[in-house]
Amino acid sequence: NAGVTQTPKFQVLKTGQSMTLQCAQDMNHEYMSWYRQDPGMGLRLIHYSVGAGITDQGEVPNGYNVSRSTTEDFPLRLLSAAPSQTSVYFCASRTTGGEQFFGPGTRLTVL
Amino acid sequence: GENVEQHPSTLSVQEGDSAVIKCTYSDSASNYFPWYKQELGKRPQLIIDIRSNVGEKKDQRIAVTLNKTAKHFSLHITETQPEDSAVYFCAARRRGGRRALTFGSGTRLQVQP
Repeated sequence: NAGVTQTPKFQVLKTGQSMTLQCAQDMNHEYMSWYRQDPGMGLRLIHYSVGAGITDQGEVPNGYNVSRSTTEDFPLRLLSAAPSQTSVYFCASRTTGGEQFFGPGTRLTVL
Repeated sequence: GENVEQHPSTLSVQEGDSAVIKCTYSDSASNYFPWYKQELGKRPQLIIDIRSNVGEKKDQRIAVTLNKTAKHFSLHITETQPEDSAVYFCAARRRGGRRALTFGSGTRLQVQP
């Protein structure tokens, strides 16, 4: 199993550009989440999903969209990038009652 | 929603000493409390977890204790080694509702050789 994979590893955007961060898992996990990690602030939940077709907002959803058309994939879309979205983004997945596994992260810089 | 507070934010110990990191949570419906270790530039990885029906859990040099009444839980690392140096995060998840982890702000542990 590849586990949780994320692409790209690094990305630089200009203010106002849009892009999609990709996340996939091959463990047939129902639950998937997106977090952002900023220095001194831990991991903050952006959006999460409890299964295909079902998504919900986390603590910091503004400026981000998600969709869950398949069990495996959970892409995160930045609609109009802002410097405040400069961060490291982690995708995670788990099964019911199980351990949460993280992807390797995407380091995003918005100029 | 859930709020998890973690302290200290930094902790420096001598090799061989013990380290203790403490967290408090606000949602009494939370029933799952994992601890993650994150090395520089890497992803967080689970090191130990505890559920609300257990007061203490141990795995070699690592232990976690939970006090449901006071809504706090702690990570204990004994006989620390330089490779224990990392950032440690506590988290909490509730039964039902938003079934995603809420994380503390992290503790940077440095073990001095």
